[in-house]
Amino acid sequence: QVQLVQSGAEVKKPGASVKVSCKASGYTFTNYGISWVRQAPGQGLEWMAWISAYNVNTNYAQNLQDRVILTTDTSTSTAYMELRSLRSDDTAVYYCARDQELGIPRGFDIWGQGTMVTVSS
Amino acid sequence: DIQMTQSPSTLSASVGDRVTITCRASQSVGTWLAWYQQKPGKAPKLLIYKASSLQSGVPSRFSGSGSGTEFTLTISSLQPDDFATYYCQQYNGYRTFGQGTKVEIK
Repeated sequence: QVQLVQSGAEVKKPGASVKVSCKASGYTFTNYGISWVRQAPGQGLEWMAWISAYNVNTNYAQNLQDRVILTTDTSTSTAYMELRSLRSDDTAVYYCARDQELGIPRGFDIWGQGTMVTVSS
Repeated sequence: DIQMTQSPSTLSASVGDRVTITCRASQSVGTWLAWYQQKPGKAPKLLIYKASSLQSGVPSRFSGSGSGTEFTLTISSLQPDDFATYYCQQYNGYRTFGQGTKVEIK
């Protein structure tokens, strides 16, 4: 079936980096984009960034554009989100979500299970 | 950046009630608007896209309307499975979520 499977939970120290993976299956990876969304404990959803799996275009939220890097590996149908210079307020569940089929946005119809990233000294 | 504001933040309702949640955009997003349902510990679920299109598999008691800057999500007859938090999202270029509306049992 169509699914996104994310890598496991991470614990990092302030100032470190984290890289979360999101492996797609059940659909043509390069026909879609992937967005990343995070949710701090007890808080709402925050869109972080988007990458097209077909032309590698990217968009980043203004408040994160200096610290986030999105990449894809089409040979394994996997998207990656790297967040640098981690701070305690980066502690959150990070989700990947399927976004925009062949340039046509239709909302985020498939979501990964989420990856908990904890930033603590 | 386009800001999305939902109201109310919390809504108390009973099974069978008609429920309406409002979402306002700080500038026009056309009909590039989606609604999601999220339950504790779970990923969000897409309910409505393009303001009024029902996602496949979503019960028909959910409906969306609006365009430009004013949007609504309506649940025609609230069911026990519908107690959750609902988010609107604009996707006119960048993406932005509303702050969420928690639907709780009255």
